[in-house]
Amino acid sequence: EVQLVESGGDLVQPGGSLRLSCAASGFTFSSYAMIWVRQAPGKGLEWVSAISGSGDVTYYADSVKGRFTISRDNSKNTLSLQVNSLRAEDTAVYYCARGRTSNWYDWFDLWGQGTLVAVSS
Amino acid sequence: EIVMTQSPATLSVSPGERATLSCRASQSVSSNLAWYQHKPGQAPRLLIYGASTRATGIPARFSGSGSGTEFTLTISSLQSEDFAVYYCQQYNNWPPWTFGQGTKVDFK
Repeated sequence: EVQLVESGGDLVQPGGSLRLSCAASGFTFSSYAMIWVRQAPGKGLEWVSAISGSGDVTYYADSVKGRFTISRDNSKNTLSLQVNSLRAEDTAVYYCARGRTSNWYDWFDLWGQGTLVAVSS
Repeated sequence: EIVMTQSPATLSVSPGERATLSCRASQSVSSNLAWYQHKPGQAPRLLIYGASTRATGIPARFSGSGSGTEFTLTISSLQSEDFAVYYCQQYNNWPPWTFGQGTKVDFK
């Protein structure tokens, strides 16, 4: 089955860190760019970060630049997001999603069900 | 950054009725626009890309139109499973990839 499954979300204190993971199955993972998108409570979708199929090109939203790091392990079909220096405004459900090809992101045709990150003292 | 604005915020529709959702871009995105459906607790689902091309498996009652800065998603005859939040997203100028704030389609 073609799917994405996120994990790693948790309740964490401000300033804390987490590593989110996205396990891909049913398709050739390395052939697709991947992104992270989040949805804060009561809000819409916000793009967070993106990575090319080979992993050599990455992009970040200004709101997370310098705090979040996206990576991928194509041998394990896994996408990761290291989130550091967490703030209350990072509280959200984090989704991973698949881009159109290895280097063209365009639209996102496969999404996971999300993992919740809650930042609170 | 291209800002995407959707209207209305909420659309109340009865089953079987037609629903028309709008999306406006702050500058031209050509036809580089996608629409997604999102239900609570579920993964978002791609409906439309290229402004008007239905994604694989999407029913024909969903249609998209527009180009430049004005876009429309039409659901020709609303089914019970169509009550959800709908987002538009531009991919003409990236990063960032930007989404509208969403239109909630609920039961009238």
